[in-house]
Amino acid sequence: DTEVTQTPKHLVMGMTNKKSLKCEQHMGHRAMYWYKQKAKKPPELMFVYSYEKLSINESVPSRFSPECPNSSLLNLHLHALQPEDSALYLCASSQIGGAGEQFFGPGTRLTVL
Amino acid sequence: DAKTTQPNSMESNEEEPVHLPCNHSTISGTDYIHWYRQLPSQGPEYVIHGLTSNVNNRMASLAIAEDRKSSTLILHRATLRDAAVYYCILRGAYDWANNLFFGTGTRLTVIP
Repeated sequence: DTEVTQTPKHLVMGMTNKKSLKCEQHMGHRAMYWYKQKAKKPPELMFVYSYEKLSINESVPSRFSPECPNSSLLNLHLHALQPEDSALYLCASSQIGGAGEQFFGPGTRLTVL
Repeated sequence: DAKTTQPNSMESNEEEPVHLPCNHSTISGTDYIHWYRQLPSQGPEYVIHGLTSNVNNRMASLAIAEDRKSSTLILHRATLRDAAVYYCILRGAYDWANNLFFGTGTRLTVIP
């Protein structure tokens, strides 16, 4: 199974809402990533988890809160987002170190009203 | 800051070979060169990677310059399904979690 799944596919939320994005993989990868991608732009790295511990936070605002409850799951909790946070949120996983090619999920298309 | 530079767009005729260039002049000795592509409305898809030697797989070939400051992704026969944005990124073998920057990528248009 070389698939990374993400739910939901689409999400519309208000600025006062709290929601969560979910990502799952069963490839035994111990590195997991969140990326944000605005339209017609490349993906931008937000967070990296290594062995379920947060190892990289690319200066992401605290209204985005990642969580890695186990080696297969990655969540991104959202609270008090702004309209400019509307984007495609991509999850990826890889082996630790080495060449570590990343496997990406299809993304969650988030719209903040 | 992106550590790779690519042309914004390229066109190819269907069934012709395509050579997609990438410059990475600041590459370090332990950086792998990775290529991904992103089809419309999908997440990026891994294509190929290399370190020093040229590489082939079922999707493409990767030619790496001798000084490793540039590389070229080769699609041997472009099909309409190859129309996508192609990204070249560097990934450190040891410092792998840092500086994972996607450059602007090359949008490949395949003409029937």
